[in-house]
Amino acid sequence: AQTVTQSQPEMSVQEAETVTLSCTYDTSESNYYLFWYKQPPSRQMILVIRQEAYKQQNATENRFSVNFQKAAKSFSLKISDSQLGDTAMYFCAFMKHGSGNTPLVFGKGTRLSVIA
Amino acid sequence: DAGVIQSPRHEVTEMGQEVTLRCKPISGHNSLFWYRQTMMRGLELLIYFNNNVPIDDSGMPEDRFSAKMPNASFSTLKIQPSEPRDSAVYFCASSLRPEETQYFGPGTRLLVL
Repeated sequence: AQTVTQSQPEMSVQEAETVTLSCTYDTSESNYYLFWYKQPPSRQMILVIRQEAYKQQNATENRFSVNFQKAAKSFSLKISDSQLGDTAMYFCAFMKHGSGNTPLVFGKGTRLSVIA
Repeated sequence: DAGVIQSPRHEVTEMGQEVTLRCKPISGHNSLFWYRQTMMRGLELLIYFNNNVPIDDSGMPEDRFSAKMPNASFSTLKIQPSEPRDSAVYFCASSLRPEETQYFGPGTRLLVL
């Protein structure tokens, strides 16, 4: 079974600074997807970024980028130029690819606070 | 697109009552997922459907929980009878296919007294 570990329960960052959230996962699969979801106080789950394991290039979405290290099974999220609206819970998630795939497996989350 | 729609957004009920949560997936999406979020256990998959057929219900806690998807645009999650430990936020998500990105609804916050 796949597991996802987020070792930082809480983090804080000053507005306009950069912060990196850690995520590691355990799997024997070679083909899979990794995700970061954001959950603000409204509790809506919002997709931040997605990475295909077969792609070597790290995914980026505006101020959000990932550092995907397949061999180390590490998938960290970097938020640049942090904004107050980035305050939220961030969940790392894993999905196996292919027929008979299992749906998302989530980590426990990291609570990020952006401080003015 | 309106996104995934869930109703009600909040539900307060008494122990022993039946609770029905509803979900409308994004039009054209063939896969639908029900998740439960609690402080203790985080986000857990309860059940998912593909083309209206339940594929994996191994996450359903017990027989008190049941889910249906009578058509491509509607699903229900029912708890009967409800218990205080069922208090949680219940999310519905949908995707084009099971392996595609899932998009979440706003969730239903359930409180069982």
